[in-house]
Parts: sequence; C-alpha cells; structure tokens
Amino acid sequence: NAGVMQNPRHLVRRRGQEARLRCSPMKGHSHVYWYRQLPEEGLKFMVYLQKENIIDESGMPKERFSAEFPKEGPSILRIQQVVRGDSAAYFCASSQTGVGSNQPQHFGDGTRLSIL
Amino acid sequence: QKEVEQNSGPLSVPEGAIASLNCTYSDRGSQSFFWYRQYSGKSPELIMFIYSNGDKEDGRFTAQLNKASQYVSLLIRDSQPSDSATYLCAVKGGTSYGKLTFGQGTILTVHP
Repeated sequence: NAGVMQNPRHLVRRRGQEARLRCSPMKGHSHVYWYRQLPEEGLKFMVYLQKENIIDESGMPKERFSAEFPKEGPSILRIQQVVRGDSAAYFCASSQTGVGSNQPQHFGDGTRLSIL
Repeated sequence: QKEVEQNSGPLSVPEGAIASLNCTYSDRGSQSFFWYRQYSGKSPELIMFIYSNGDKEDGRFTAQLNKASQYVSLLIRDSQPSDSATYLCAVKGGTSYGKLTFGQGTILTVHP
C-alpha cells in the first residue's frame, strides 16, 4: 500500500494517560502534516514537519502536545496526560513538496482517539 | 470573518442534477485551492485542485477559481447518490505557509 499509513486506527485511553499516534507518509513524500477533527467540526491544522524539523507548529496546543518526524521511522504525534476534550479524529497528510508548492496533500485513514 | 467559508448546507439535489458548492477565502495571498470529499467516519479524499483563474474539469467535476473575488467553486454534473458526502474546501499559501486551511464543509445529499 503506497498511501499514507496511520496507526492505530482506534485508540482508547483513560484520562491522564499518554497517547502516541503514528504516521508513515506516502512513498517519495517528505512533508508531513497533522490535522485534528473534533466531533461535528472541521479539520484544523496542528503541525507541519519535514524529516528532523518542525516547520510550523502554530496549530499545536501549547501544553501536552508534541510531534516529531525522525530521520528514520514514522512521524509521531504525542499527547501527554490526555483529557476528555482530546477525543477526536487525528489525520496525517503528506505531500511531495511543501511551502510554495501547489502539490496536494494526501490523507491517511486517521486515528480515532477516545478518552474514557 | 472566517478564513475559509463554505455555503451553508445541507445541500440536497436530485440524481442527475448539477450540484454547486461554493467557497470564499479571506487571505488574498492564497495560492492553491483544493476540494476534498469526506464520507461519514472516513478520511478526506482529494477530488480536485486548482491554482489558476478559470475552470478546471475532471470527469463530472469542474473547479472554478476567481482570485479577484476570492471565490472558488466545485460543480458536480450528473450527480449520483454515491456523491452524497461532506465536501471540504481547503486553501493553501499566503500567510498559511504550507498548511491547509479548511472550511467547515458542505453536506451534499443526492436523492434518487
């Protein structure tokens, strides 16, 4: 499968636990974006990364959320000490090129995070 | 004013009709414009993208862009029940850097 791969598809956590969401971009893509979709709301940008670099994190909450895209392996979105309000669908997208480019972003199937 | 606004739905059209979806954006420096389709519980799927003024056609879909009016639209000809979904307008460029800014979506229902 050459598409954007996200895992897990569903993740259940209790309040106060940590959630780790993984994303492998499409083959040949080096730009990764994370978006969050709250119930009955639109998609909101969180963070844009290239290998080993955070390009834009203007949409990330200031606390508890972090993201990385290491030289080897998938991009990770990490949420510490989860709260009920973190329950949402988290989508990863990737593109071949980034800023200044017209290339579209392709989305993975998402991770549905539920907080008990 | 929202950065990206879509015509409020839901929009209901009969099978075989033309569905017209509209979107306006506030950042005049925006460069690229995308339409995604999202079925309930699924991920956004790219339908069309456009970055030059005018029309772009792909099968039953036509995207139209007017940068002077800051307006982009999607026409779906010969609408099918399988087209029933939420359609998301997304904008890139200008002050938004590499990210996409999405509208709230328009729910389209095509009834037989």
